[in-house]
Parts: sequence; C-alpha cells; structure tokens
Amino acid sequence: GENVEQHPSTLSVQEGDSAVIKCTYSDSASNYFPWYKQELGKGPQLIIDIRSNVGEKKDQRIAVTLNKTAKHFSLHITETQPEDSAVYFCAADGRGNFVFGPGTRLSVLP
Amino acid sequence: DAMVIQNPRYQVTQFGKPVTLSCSQTLNHNVMYWYQQKSSQAPKLLFHYYDKDFNNEADTPDNFQSRRPNTSFCFLDIRSPGLGDAAMYLCATSVNRGRETQYFGPGTRLLVL
Repeated sequence: GENVEQHPSTLSVQEGDSAVIKCTYSDSASNYFPWYKQELGKGPQLIIDIRSNVGEKKDQRIAVTLNKTAKHFSLHITETQPEDSAVYFCAADGRGNFVFGPGTRLSVLP
Repeated sequence: DAMVIQNPRYQVTQFGKPVTLSCSQTLNHNVMYWYQQKSSQAPKLLFHYYDKDFNNEADTPDNFQSRRPNTSFCFLDIRSPGLGDAAMYLCATSVNRGRETQYFGPGTRLLVL
C-alpha cells in the first residue's frame, strides 16, 4: 500500500522567512496530494492541493510543487507569519483512502 | 455556511462504559469518514461510509462501530472504551471516494478515566 514520509518533523523559522516541507510517496497510482494545517485542538484544514497533471500550484503565500517521476511533493510558505505556526500534514490518495504523512510542527518566531 | 459539525467537543467516559460521538454535515457529501488521532500523530482512518455502504479498515478494532442513519449524520460508537482509546476523533466528508478533498470537523477529544 501507499506510504508517505514527511520531513522535517519540526521546523522553526523567523517571521518573514520562507518554510519548505517535503513529502515522498511510494504508490505511483496516487494522483491527488492535499496539504492540511492543524492548529492546536482543532481539526485539519485544507490549505492547498495538487493533482498529478499539474507540476505547481500557488495560492498567495502558499505553493505546492509535485515531481511525479521522483514521487515527491513540497509545500512552500513565503513571508511566514506567527499565525502560520501549526502542524502541517501532507497526504496522498493511494488507491482510494488518504494516507497521511507524520506531520511537521512549524514554529514562526517573531 | 456549509460545514462539518461534531458533538460534543469534549467527552469524558469511564473505562468500559459505552460512548457515542456524533457528526453531522450540511455539505450533502456522499462519503463520511471517522479518524482517530493520538497526540503528535497523523489521523488514522477507522472506517468510512459511501452513502449507506460501510467500509471498515482492516486494523480497526471490533470495539469501534459506526452508524449512518441518513446522509447528514454519522455516529461513532465505542462499545467498551479502554485507556488506549483516549484520543481526538475526527469526522470528515467528501463528495465521492478517492482523489477528492476531505473536509474535517473540529474533532471530539475523548478522555477515558
């Protein structure tokens, strides 16, 4: 089945700097790759997603890139703000259900 | 606003005492999911309903059951909660199965005493 790895597990950046989180997946059949942000005590919220027919997608300060050949995708956050501090999960759709990465705890230091 | 609602937000139960968590949605989505999330871990899928079709994950303990009486509501029943079942329980919905965005509710934090 699908296996998703995510790095780093923790990331601290200064406010205004960029943050990059990388995920790799194993199942070449995966075609949909969402990213979720989870704040303490809340449910995961979709922040951006990408499908396999697209190499890059951007939404304001957030972008996702996908390399299907290498089976990896990355989340890029520019001009980070304190409110970006949260746990971020990547996921791949595998052969039906989502498989989540283990998460990255992002801390944006003022 | 269309959304996924979970009640209660916090639930305390006693070891071995049955407990039911509820989820409702106004999105009119076909699929409803239940996930278990323990501290500092990713959500783990327990089961999902595609309309009335129930799909259990292979490693979901028999202690966990689910009901979906109609499109809008889905329940998670834990028949005999153990200390290891203390976790955040997340409900999610999607229009269809696979390769579709899942929308999560706020979760119910379960404490077992």
